[in-house]
Amino acid sequence: QSALTQPASVSGSPGQSITISCTGTSSDVGSYNLVSWYQQHPGKAPKLIILEVTKRPSGVSNRFSGSKSGSTASLTISGLQAEDEADYYCCSYVSSYTHWVFGGGTKLTVL
Amino acid sequence: QVQLQESGPGLVKPSETLSLTCTVSGGSISSFYWSWIRQPAGKGLEWIGRIFDSGSTNYNPSLKSRVTMSVDTSKNHFSLKLTSLTAADTAVYFCARNYLDGFDIWGQGTMVTVSS
Repeated sequence: QSALTQPASVSGSPGQSITISCTGTSSDVGSYNLVSWYQQHPGKAPKLIILEVTKRPSGVSNRFSGSKSGSTASLTISGLQAEDEADYYCCSYVSSYTHWVFGGGTKLTVL
Repeated sequence: QVQLQESGPGLVKPSETLSLTCTVSGGSISSFYWSWIRQPAGKGLEWIGRIFDSGSTNYNPSLKSRVTMSVDTSKNHFSLKLTSLTAADTAVYFCARNYLDGFDIWGQGTMVTVSS
């Protein structure tokens, strides 16, 4: 199972919005609404920010939102803040052999 | 609140077996799936496998032949064994709790280096 495809990097200025894409196949992202997103600051463990494509866990800012179209999921961060600078990973459930696959990660730079 | 802590050797020799334990504190290990996830330096995340409190497991097909996970509910911890290690297994290893389709609680991670 190949990793999901994410852009290596994105950037934006404070206050702007950015979107990170996550492209999979009909076997993973396209099969179910079971895509999650993680934020990881350097040297830290990942933090769950979106699950089941669009849901935010308690305590996660509403500036983070998720969506999906076909086999591509997307994470949008609105009102960019300096603290949003981090790596972001998508993850999808894969029904065959019941496992999970991550994207390669996207480095977000806040200019 | 539930916290996870990985423990195990930081250095393992090639061809040997890695053994890691994740201790769950602040809550019960029961009724959840628990996963191991790893991250080579500067690279992305890779799901290794998960285990339920009953001992039921699912493994990443690419690692399945080398992975064994176990759980000890009396000690509130679960473990990972990865055999036939190579330099490619050098990574930070995280344990995490499965929640719906995601991983909502993570340990801080433990660095494992495979080198002679």
